[in-house]
Amino acid sequence: SQELEQSPQSLIVQEGKNLTINCTSSKTLYGLYWYKQKYGEGLIFLMMLQKGGEEKSHEKITAKLDEKKQQSSLHITASQPSHAGIYLCGADMRGNTPLVFGKGTRLSVIA
Amino acid sequence: GAVVSQHPSWVICKSGTSVKIECRSLDFQATTMFWYRQFPKQSLMLMATSNEGSKATYEQGVEKDKFLINHASLTLSTLTVTSAHPEDSSFYICIPGLADKPTPSSYNEQFFGPGTRLTVL
Repeated sequence: SQELEQSPQSLIVQEGKNLTINCTSSKTLYGLYWYKQKYGEGLIFLMMLQKGGEEKSHEKITAKLDEKKQQSSLHITASQPSHAGIYLCGADMRGNTPLVFGKGTRLSVIA
Repeated sequence: GAVVSQHPSWVICKSGTSVKIECRSLDFQATTMFWYRQFPKQSLMLMATSNEGSKATYEQGVEKDKFLINHASLTLSTLTVTSAHPEDSSFYICIPGLADKPTPSSYNEQFFGPGTRLTVL
């Protein structure tokens, strides 16, 4: 079965610092999604990557998908308290199959 | 705007009671609905796959007699937590199958139910 390994499990960074979260799949992905969430609340869509080598940016967040489409990273530049939350990656394996989620990374940004 | 609605958004119930969660697809027909749950500090885990007109399929470790899923129409899937216990307290969310979505394949939050926070006392 498809599994997603997400690391680190938690991260505490000082405001203004950069950080990276990784997501690795055991199989080639059709699509890789990044979300932000607070527990008990809905998911906030950040970005979707579908092509090998693809990179997307939105404000201070950049996500990349490797050429093999098995590994993705989410990079936050100059972190702010508003970036705090749980970041989840989700794997889409094509067709009518369920999204598989990574275990999440809990990010705290301290002043 | 959102194309999947979920109701209720939160519910508190007594132990032993049953709770029904409804997930509706708006403006499109969902032949498949995936149900997930999320315990505190954990990720979203697939519970079961709901298929219109047929029995749901459950993931390993999920009790089908406890979590009753009904997908009687192409726009409504329901999850009933029967005889709820405190350990069933969780965040439940529905997501329609990829093939059902009316617009380009993208699991943005439009295609997620907003979730139901269940607390069992």
